[in-house]
Amino acid sequence: GAVVSQHPSRVICKSGTSVKIECRSLDFQATTMFWYRQFPKQSLMLMATSNEGSKATYEQGVEKDKFLINHASLTLSTLTVTSAHPEDSSFYICSARVGAGPDTEAFFGQGTRLTVV
Amino acid sequence: GENVEQHPSTLSVQEGDSAVIKCTYSDSASNYFPWYKQELGKRPQLIIDIRSNVGEKKDQRIAVTLNKTAKHFSLHITETQPEDSAVYFCAAIGLTGGGNKLTFGTGTQLKVEL
Repeated sequence: GAVVSQHPSRVICKSGTSVKIECRSLDFQATTMFWYRQFPKQSLMLMATSNEGSKATYEQGVEKDKFLINHASLTLSTLTVTSAHPEDSSFYICSARVGAGPDTEAFFGQGTRLTVV
Repeated sequence: GENVEQHPSTLSVQEGDSAVIKCTYSDSASNYFPWYKQELGKRPQLIIDIRSNVGEKKDQRIAVTLNKTAKHFSLHITETQPEDSAVYFCAAIGLTGGGNKLTFGTGTQLKVEL
């Protein structure tokens, strides 16, 4: 299957600082990537859809100025959590699908465990 | 947008027994329904998926059934083993409104006991 690589896998940062998470499709091009957040013992909640060469589409309730998404190439999307606070501590996972069809398999990155202290 | 409900939230079975997890979805235009297994701290892993042009799909001990009329789909695991213990998520692709987004169910913690 296709490979999606996410980095870093774990990060601890101080309140008020920013953290950047990278998501790469290693063996395929992804015009669209998806960013999810997962709190402990909860489901994956879609935060935003990242579109190569254009602005990301954010889900309702997700602050676009706090969660900055950049999709500058067909193999890289980044999520920057700005002015992080303890409530932003969570598991962030990116995903990409091979092909544009709605019934194509999604591949997930390893996830990033963010802890804000 | 799409809404996916999943039951039960927890499920304990004896090794060798079967486990069934059920999901319902709201978007009648949805046509792709994957199931994922997630171990603690790891990424979701696709275990089986089904598209709307079939009603059932089987892969060894795992099977999925889909009822488009009722808008529900189920995961069946037979001959459960301790290594099947994990959280399982159903999902559906919502198409209404041009979303094309994967929406997850709330998850089922499966525990297979010896």
